[in-house]
Amino acid sequence: NAGVMQNPRHLVRRRGQEARLRCSPMKGHSHVYWYRQLPEEGLKFMVYLQKENIIDESGMPKERFSAEFPKEGPSILRIQQVVRGDSAAYFCASSPFEGSSYNEQFFGPGTRLTVL
Amino acid sequence: AQSVTQLDSQVPVFEEAPVELRCNYSSSVSVYLFWYVQYPNQGLQLLLKYLSGSTLVKGINGFEAEFNKSQTSFHLRKPSVHISDTAEYFCAVSDQGAQKLVFGQGTRLTINP
Repeated sequence: NAGVMQNPRHLVRRRGQEARLRCSPMKGHSHVYWYRQLPEEGLKFMVYLQKENIIDESGMPKERFSAEFPKEGPSILRIQQVVRGDSAAYFCASSPFEGSSYNEQFFGPGTRLTVL
Repeated sequence: AQSVTQLDSQVPVFEEAPVELRCNYSSSVSVYLFWYVQYPNQGLQLLLKYLSGSTLVKGINGFEAEFNKSQTSFHLRKPSVHISDTAEYFCAVSDQGAQKLVFGQGTRLTINP
């Protein structure tokens, strides 16, 4: 059973371009989370999705950032008109939904975005 | 709002010495607590978790942590470290019933031979 997959692993963009980060959850997992890790900091929650539905986007910046998790295919985190401050590692995690109050999150290797 | 404080940004220790990485949290509700390890250029791996029950939690790679509700702490310990334990360690908390994790700033553990 493959783990959480993210691609690309490294992404370089110039200011003003768009960045698209993809996350394929573990097989059988229906929930996806995105976190951002700025240099020398811990991870910060961005958004929590299940297929075709955003559950919690309280950590998403109000502008330029969007996320989706379609019925088919990977989850996408999209950053429009990137700025230098968007340079960070973006981690995706997935979990099964077992109806309990705790669903363990399994993390992918991350996408390291560099904005020139 | 929840917050997690990891009191040491870096901890250097000698191989086979004991280590303690400190974590304090604040929350107005009951919580779940976690320790994750991040090796260079990799994602996070769960070391251990506290959900309920015994306050002493044992995890992988010989690590353990103790939940202290009165001191709102969840310190991570290992009696004898190895070179392979060199990594960044993150403490995290989530509200019971919520799914998002709130992370501390991380502690870089460096093992010297």
